[in-house]
Amino acid sequence: AQKITQTQPGMFVQEKEAVTLDCTYDTSDPSYGLFWYKQPSSGEMIFLIYQGSYDQQNATEGRYSLNFQKARKSANLVISASQLGDSAMYFCAMREAGTYKYIFGTGTRLKVLA
Amino acid sequence: DGGITQSPKYLFRKEGQNVTLSCEQNLNHDAMYWYRQDPGQGLRLIYYSQIVNDFQKGDIAEGYSVSREKKESFPLTVTSAQKNPTAFYLCASTKTGTGFTREQYFGPGTRLTVT
Repeated sequence: AQKITQTQPGMFVQEKEAVTLDCTYDTSDPSYGLFWYKQPSSGEMIFLIYQGSYDQQNATEGRYSLNFQKARKSANLVISASQLGDSAMYFCAMREAGTYKYIFGTGTRLKVLA
Repeated sequence: DGGITQSPKYLFRKEGQNVTLSCEQNLNHDAMYWYRQDPGQGLRLIYYSQIVNDFQKGDIAEGYSVSREKKESFPLTVTSAQKNPTAFYLCASTKTGTGFTREQYFGPGTRLTVT
């Protein structure tokens, strides 16, 4: 069965520094998509970045990049130059192959310190 | 602007009452979803629908029901059979089609409290 694991319940980072949020996944299908979302305290989910299993390069979107290591089944989110507004919950998700069902990890709460 | 509307933002009900949460989207998306989120937890899938008049159970469908009579609307009913209904409920949608680049768009959520 497909599974997403986020092992860091909480993380702290100093403002302007980089931080890596871990995500490992399990699937037997060679075709899949990986997503990261941000959830501020207000509750809405904000899409950050996407990585496809066949993408040759790691995805980047502004200060967000995805460190995709396919053999290790990891898709870590890297946030560069952290800002106070980055404080939020971050969720890793995977789209199940052949369906439109998405599976989410339990999330990592990031706190950026001034 | 296109988006997903969930109403109300906060909902209070007495135990034993059914309650229906609204979800409307004007993104012309085919697939819609309902998730439940408990404090400090991830999102758990309740139901999803890929096309009108069709829907599938997710991981925690017991005590919930849905309908998909229109493409834009996917209401969720929390029945009295749901043992612990107090939670944050998120509705989402996505385009269907080839490829995996289809991120989900989320509504602002409804926080349901049952006492």
